Amino acid sequence: EAGVAQSPRYKIIEKRQSVAFWCNPISGHATLYWYQQILGQGPKLLIQFQNNGVVDDSQLPKDRFSAERLKGVDSTLKIQPAKLEDSAVYLCASSPGTSGRGNIRETQYFGPGTRLLVL
Amino acid sequence: EDQVTQSPEALRLQEGESSSLNCSYTVSGLRGLFWYRQDPGKGPEFLFTLYSAGEEKEKERLKATLTKKESFLHITAPKPEDSATYLCAVQGYSSASKIIFGSGTRLSIRP
Repeated sequence: EAGVAQSPRYKIIEKRQSVAFWCNPISGHATLYWYQQILGQGPKLLIQFQNNGVVDDSQLPKDRFSAERLKGVDSTLKIQPAKLEDSAVYLCASSPGTSGRGNIRETQYFGPGTRLLVL
Repeated sequence: EDQVTQSPEALRLQEGESSSLNCSYTVSGLRGLFWYRQDPGKGPEFLFTLYSAGEEKEKERLKATLTKKESFLHITAPKPEDSATYLCAVQGYSSASKIIFGSGTRLSIRP
């Protein structure tokens, strides 16, 4: 079974430029997550999709970050304009989806990440 | 607010020297606690999910245990290839609960 795919793997941009990341989840997985991982820290959830609907985007800086998941499969995360503090690894993960209390199907499978450096 | 604290931040062991990593958590009703392994330059790799206090799970040299306040990842007779960052994450039952990750423990095993 193919894993979560992400591209590009690395990106270097200057501040105030725009950048976009792409994620293709594991086939059949209903839930897709975007995380930001700053060096030395654990991943921080930016946005969670269930199929093509947003479940949680409370930690997404909506003035500069946007994300979409068209047709409930692939997803893109965009930053416009980028700031120096956006330098991080952007991880995409997917999970099968939830099926009731006490029967979690939210084990997340992560992609390799996109390493962003903003200069 | 849900919180996760991992300790120690870093741990250096000799090959074969067993030890434990700690994950302390505060959550409004635990839905699940997750352990992941992350190698440099890669995404986290799933290890275990624990659902209730008293539960234990094992995989090769790793064993995860869970109490109402913390989880331990025990590593027995580690090998250099076990060197990685180990991440703990929790999710609560409230509607606002998202999966919260700790900062991880960087484990280094010397040959």
